[in-house]
Amino acid sequence: SQQGEEDPQALSIQEGENATMNCSYKTSINNLQWYRQNSGRGLVHLILIRSNEREKHSGRLRVTLDTSKKSSSLLITASRAADTASYFCATANQAGTALIFGKGTTLSVSS
Amino acid sequence: NAGVMQNPRHLVRRRGQEARLRCSPMKGHSHVYWYRQLPEEGLKFMVYLQKENIIDESGMPKERFSAEFPKEGPSILRIQQVVRGDSAAYFCASSPLAGEEAYEQYFGPGTRLTVT
Repeated sequence: SQQGEEDPQALSIQEGENATMNCSYKTSINNLQWYRQNSGRGLVHLILIRSNEREKHSGRLRVTLDTSKKSSSLLITASRAADTASYFCATANQAGTALIFGKGTTLSVSS
Repeated sequence: NAGVMQNPRHLVRRRGQEARLRCSPMKGHSHVYWYRQLPEEGLKFMVYLQKENIIDESGMPKERFSAEFPKEGPSILRIQQVVRGDSAAYFCASSPLAGEEAYEQYFGPGTRLTVT
């Protein structure tokens, strides 16, 4: 079953706007990760946030984690056309042997 | 520093044939993971291997699918007697660490399998 579920499924914005994606998960976690996948390509790791962290920044990315609500958000500021991609959150399974991905949010940024 | 390499990038097989997918992890990584992605879906874990050992194959179908990661050479995901439902993108990932946490994984470009 899905561990992470992203919301919304699809998001369309204009260049320069901010994009916010949300992820909810079911079980307790040690960390949560966000990945990007460009169409027809592999996944690229964006950022990892640990369970004892509430917020983390990397360039134009800002990730928050609320373990009490079992949710995380990814904010992309000042979006660019090159940010067009699918974004996935992922958590480790209980054994720590695999990542469990949600279905992703498809972001389209138009110029 | 080459990333995770997968080949072939595209593979077309007729029903009943065998598909062999190869993955070379990043240099220094001894942990390999295989995932499958159906259209419009997220990635689903299949199997986790270390050199010469299958650690977790809980996501892999019991029949027709097998995986190995020999002492020398790439990891191989083998699908025997392929069916149309096997059509998907298969991704390999590697990591330098394992244990209690699944640390960030580095993904290859994937192999897109089409069964006709």
